[in-house]
Formats: sequence, C-alpha cells, structure tokens
Amino acid sequence: DADVTQTPRNRITKTGKRIMLECSQTKGHDRMYWYRQDPGLGLRLIYYSFDVKDINKGEISDGYSVSRQAQAKFSLSLESAIPNQTALYFCATSDLYGYSYNEQFFGPGTRLTVL
Amino acid sequence: EDKVVQSPLSLVVHEGDTVTLNCSYEVTNFRSLLWYKQEKKAPTFLFMLTSSGIEKKSGRLSSILDKKELFSILNITATQTGDSAVYLCAVAENDYKLSFGAGTTVTVRA
Repeated sequence: DADVTQTPRNRITKTGKRIMLECSQTKGHDRMYWYRQDPGLGLRLIYYSFDVKDINKGEISDGYSVSRQAQAKFSLSLESAIPNQTALYFCATSDLYGYSYNEQFFGPGTRLTVL
Repeated sequence: EDKVVQSPLSLVVHEGDTVTLNCSYEVTNFRSLLWYKQEKKAPTFLFMLTSSGIEKKSGRLSSILDKKELFSILNITATQTGDSAVYLCAVAENDYKLSFGAGTTVTVRA
C-alpha cells in the first residue's frame, strides 16, 4: 500500500471551475507539502504545513489555497482554475527526525488540465 | 535567478555506458543536497549529501558533493534501460524547504 496517496490521479476541468486535490499519508509525518511540476521548471513549492494549525505559503501560492484537515490529510484547492494552472501536482511528506532529515516522500501525482 | 542548475538537460546513452550528471547550486544557507529519480510520476529518493568529498554509493549509482565549488555529480555506471528517468537535484537551506533543479532526462537505449 502506498504511503502517500493522491486523488484524483487525473483531472480535466474548465476555466473558472473550483477544484480540490486531496492527499493522504500513512507515514505519520507532521510535515506535508504541495508542489507543482512544469516542463523545464522542476518542482515548485505551493504550500507547506508543519502541523494542523501551521500552514505556510510557498513560492507560488497565488491562486491556490489549502486545508490541513488532520495530521494525515492535506488538500489543495484552486478556487477558480485557469489554463496556466495546468501541471502535474505532487503532495509530499517529511519527518524532521529521520536519518535523512531533508528527505521528502512524494505521492504519485495528479495531472491537472485546465481548458 | 535559478538556485539549482542541472546539466545536461537530457542525454541518450547505450546500455553499458557510464553517465555523469551535474548539479550546481547557489544558496545562502546550505544544509544538504538531495538526488531523486523520477520515473513516470513520483520522485523517489536516491541520496542525501551533506559533507564534501564523501562519496555515497548504492549499487551502480554514486554521488559526491563539493561544497567549495558548490556542485554535486551523480554517476551511473553500466547503465541499463531501467535507469531511464528524470534525475532531480534539490538543495535544502533549512529543515523543510527544497529548491529543485529542472532535472536531467536520461534515456538508455538497448
């Protein structure tokens, strides 16, 4: 069973629609992250959360919002989707006290297309 | 400005060849450098490097860090078709934020 899961895996939506991407983890990690990946740009951080009450903006948070419903769940919302939000979205988790303390564990990704 | 730059952007080799991937970085506070392999979708962790000159190895893969010259290399020896992937380099400036390079796409032909 995957430790970090994302739903949906693929989504096509239209400009102006609200969409939510969900992430769940069974690793017991406190820290969770949302990234987007675009060709030629690598992964860029959208939001990150240290725990349920601690949520922070990343480098490209405009147009996105998040909710940390529980330690294991972290959702990303696009309130009004636009075509340049078409990308591959990843959720990740990390454990500050692990041997490889900066290692982040990634979910399988959600491919989002905004028409 | 790019903090993490990987080169080459892509390369094609034949099975059995050796591949060397480069990652240079420029950050204010360096904590660690990480290499990931991305096949199809999710990046998977390969190495974390914190000290200069100490090689990390895992099978046919190895990596080393030079903190004076601000770069790292990832070597893959005796390449196999299963090594075909995007290899990502990331630098950590603190205990949570990773800055990723754009990646190097490696294609290994049989």
